[in-house]
Amino acid sequence: EDQVTQSPEALRLQEGESSSLNCSYTVSGLRGLFWYRQDPGKGPEFLFTLYSAGEEKEKERLKATLTKKESFLHITAPKPEDSATYLCAVPIYSGSARQLTFGSGTQLTVLP
Amino acid sequence: EPEVTQTPSHQVTQMGQEVILRCVPISNHLYFYWYRQILGQKVEFLVSFYNNEISEKSEIFDDQFSVERPDGSNFTLKIRSTKLEDSAMYFCASSRGGEQYFGPGTRLTVT
Repeated sequence: EDQVTQSPEALRLQEGESSSLNCSYTVSGLRGLFWYRQDPGKGPEFLFTLYSAGEEKEKERLKATLTKKESFLHITAPKPEDSATYLCAVPIYSGSARQLTFGSGTQLTVLP
Repeated sequence: EPEVTQTPSHQVTQMGQEVILRCVPISNHLYFYWYRQILGQKVEFLVSFYNNEISEKSEIFDDQFSVERPDGSNFTLKIRSTKLEDSAMYFCASSRGGEQYFGPGTRLTVT
């Protein structure tokens, strides 16, 4: 069964304290990995797509990387506004569409 | 920037009643999805829709659920006879084939 596991479940950082979130997956024939940000009571907000091992994407203080077994979301010098739940998801192809299988997320709190 | 919209933002209904959740996907997108998230749990896939038909559905999407694209812009999820366990956030998403863009969600509360 395809699985997506995220760690840690929760992370508290001081403003400016860099760290990394992990997403490990067991999917045969990975065809992409997605990172989303979710604020409380809101829908997931798309951040990055990674397709191949060694690929990196950056956006402001966030950088996502991908290996053959896992992905990391690195947060450099975070600010309180980066506080959110970060979700990773992998697509499962079914015919012409793809359903996303999500991890449980990492709840990030950045303290001022 | 185009975005997925959903209405209503919050729906309260009694057990056994029918509800219709509405979504307007991004206009040039071809694939449409419904997901749900029970409080404190993972986002779960319900159904995908392409070319005016269901592409795939999960075990959650039983005979009580249906989807429809009644015109060129709206995409709806109907629950025929709601149960307490249907209480959740329901998210609509759309894509052109790559990343999926999610709406803000409808919080469904079944009493």
